[in-house]
Amino acid sequence: GQQLNQSPQSMFIQEGEDVSMNCTSSSIFNTWLWYKQDPGEGPVLLIALYKAGELTSNGRLTAQFGITRKDSFLNISASIPSDVGIYFCAGPPKTSGSRLTFGEGTQLTVNP
Amino acid sequence: DTAVSQTPKYLVTQMGNDKSIKCEQNLGHDTMYWYKQDSKKFLKIMFSYNNKELIINETVPNRFSPKSPDKAHLNLHINSLELGDSAVYFCASSQQTGANVLTFGAGSRLTVL
Repeated sequence: GQQLNQSPQSMFIQEGEDVSMNCTSSSIFNTWLWYKQDPGEGPVLLIALYKAGELTSNGRLTAQFGITRKDSFLNISASIPSDVGIYFCAGPPKTSGSRLTFGEGTQLTVNP
Repeated sequence: DTAVSQTPKYLVTQMGNDKSIKCEQNLGHDTMYWYKQDSKKFLKIMFSYNNKELIINETVPNRFSPKSPDKAHLNLHINSLELGDSAVYFCASSQQTGANVLTFGAGSRLTVL
């Protein structure tokens, strides 16, 4: 069943604001991934994290792999209208082999 | 140029019909997947193939039958369509099984009336 809890489910912000979303799990993860899905498209990988404590940036995006290996967060700084979309955390629980599990997604709306 | 392409993008059909969705990847990846995204946007894996061999088969009704003629193609055939099959189906690929970085197609929206 579903093993990833992602929050918040949705966010409505003004352009220029910073955004933070996170993912928690009851299982240990060896990899955390953050994807973004634009309307009418498939998810696209934003950031991949492979080590506990790792902090990685991709432009205005920053993600961290939690020390406990059971959580991760994604921050977006100075949001712009094209940040609109659904953000998914994902990873393979240690017990699942190669099966990638996705969080429920965070729907982000940015008002100009 | 499209890395993972799936057709058709939209499919509207009647209950009881049989339909297929095709997927092709030009990335040279060994592993391909089918995911289902429901109305709440939840992404759930259905099948995974590695070099034409079935690796993952989640609890999916056997009305769904994937076919991989070669490692660059993974098609999904659905028999006796039901209302609950309405969803967006995503094809994806990765370099190898266990490599968790997936490249997704743009999705195929199936509507069953």
